[in-house]
Amino acid sequence: AQKITQTQPGMFVQEKEAVTLDCTYDTSDQSYGLFWYKQPSSGEMIFLIYQGSYDEQNATEGRYSLNFQKARKSANLVISASQLGDSAMYFCAMREADTGRRALTFGSGTRLQVQP
Amino acid sequence: DARVTQTPRHKVTEMGQEVTMRCQPILGHNTVFWYRQTMMQGLELLAYFRNRAPLDDSGMPKDRFSAEMPDATLATLKIQPSEPRDSAVYFCASGLVLGGQYNSPLHFGNGTRLTVT
Repeated sequence: AQKITQTQPGMFVQEKEAVTLDCTYDTSDQSYGLFWYKQPSSGEMIFLIYQGSYDEQNATEGRYSLNFQKARKSANLVISASQLGDSAMYFCAMREADTGRRALTFGSGTRLQVQP
Repeated sequence: DARVTQTPRHKVTEMGQEVTMRCQPILGHNTVFWYRQTMMQGLELLAYFRNRAPLDDSGMPKDRFSAEMPDATLATLKIQPSEPRDSAVYFCASGLVLGGQYNSPLHFGNGTRLTVT
């Protein structure tokens, strides 16, 4: 079974509008962390935001927020007031603490295109 | 601003040749990871090290790939002999990941784009 599922291969959004990128995850661990990364066309991987499994509040970082629904095992990224520079691939990732595995497992990504 | 540094940025080589990719992790980070990115497979973990000791290399084809960390400032990934199917972007990432901790992000280098003809 896929650990991280991103069901939207591609998304379009108009500049200045908000967009939600979906991410669902599968784990039996109680302790885990969820991460979102941005990969622009230049190729680098940029860390955006983190949410821990015990965090009661949704994480926010500037225009990025994470809509964390633990019971549904979803960790959707919300980008508010989209900008042209937000056009990129976005990856959801998870680290499971109970297994001791330190690596991140990544989803397949969503390509976001912001239209003027 | 601390960064993970990878060299070379691009490498074109012929099938059968040896390829060495290098990574300088962020000073103070104790865990170094090698990932491979392809269109078909996405981001796959190849191997990772904690405090320079290999912890997991189960994602790496052992017959041709090898990963080492000769000192705290250098990690290497070697492919010998290279094959066309090895063409991909290889990322190094580092992080400060302490035992039982799950909240620290990984910081990625810019990757090495490898093309094997």
